[in-house]
Amino acid sequence: DSGVTQTPKHLITATGQRVTLRCSPRSGDLSVYWYQQSLDQGLQFLIQYYNGEERAKGNILERFSAQQFPDLHSELNLSSLELGDSALYFCASSPARGLGNTIYFGEGSWLTVV
Amino acid sequence: DQQVKQNSPSLSVQEGRISILNCDYTNSMFDYFLWYKKYPAEGPTFLISISSIKDKNEDGRFTVFLNKSAKHLSLHIVPSQPGDSAVYFCAASLNNFGNEKLTFGTGTRLTIIP
Repeated sequence: DSGVTQTPKHLITATGQRVTLRCSPRSGDLSVYWYQQSLDQGLQFLIQYYNGEERAKGNILERFSAQQFPDLHSELNLSSLELGDSALYFCASSPARGLGNTIYFGEGSWLTVV
Repeated sequence: DQQVKQNSPSLSVQEGRISILNCDYTNSMFDYFLWYKKYPAEGPTFLISISSIKDKNEDGRFTVFLNKSAKHLSLHIVPSQPGDSAVYFCAASLNNFGNEKLTFGTGTRLTIIP
C-alpha cells in the first residue's frame, strides 16, 4: 500500500459526459501528480500541483482540469469525454521536493468511455 | 514525440538467469533516470535510479547502467526470480530533483519462467 488513495477504481461513462477522479496523497506529501496511461502507452504526465498551486503542466487537454484543495487532496475533472479518453489515470504524491524515488503512485482509476 | 523509448514490449527469461531491460532516450538534457516496476492492479513502484554523473548504480539484484553518449540505459536483474515478473517502466527527468514531470517509456513486460 503506497498510501495514495484514488477513487473511483473503475468508472464507465458515455461520450460527452463529465467525470471527476479523486486523489488523497500520502500523509505529509505536498505535491500531487496526475498521469494518464492509455493502451500500449507509457505513463503520460498531465499536471502537477504543489501545496495547492499548479507547478507543472504536461500534455493535458483543455477539456481536462485539475485542482488541489487546502487539505491537499486533488481532483482531476474530465469533460466532454471521448472514446479516446478511456485510460488508466494515476495519481502520485511526493514530499516538497526530492529525488524520483519519493514519488508514490496510487492504484489508478480505470475510465472506460462508451 | 516519444522521448523515452522501450523498444521491447515483452521479454521472457528463465529463472536464475540474467534479465536485461533496455531503454533509449532522445533528450540530452535528461539528467536523472529511474526504473519503476508495476504489478497488475497496482500503481508503479520505484525500483532504482541513476544520476547522469554516474554510469552504474547497484542495489542488490538490480543494477542500472547509463551510457550517456549512446543515450541508453539498461536494467540488469540477476538472478531473476518469479516475483520479478511485472511491467518495467523506464523514466527520465530534467533535473536531479527527479520527481517533477517524469517522462516515461511505454514499458517492458518481463516474464520469469520457472
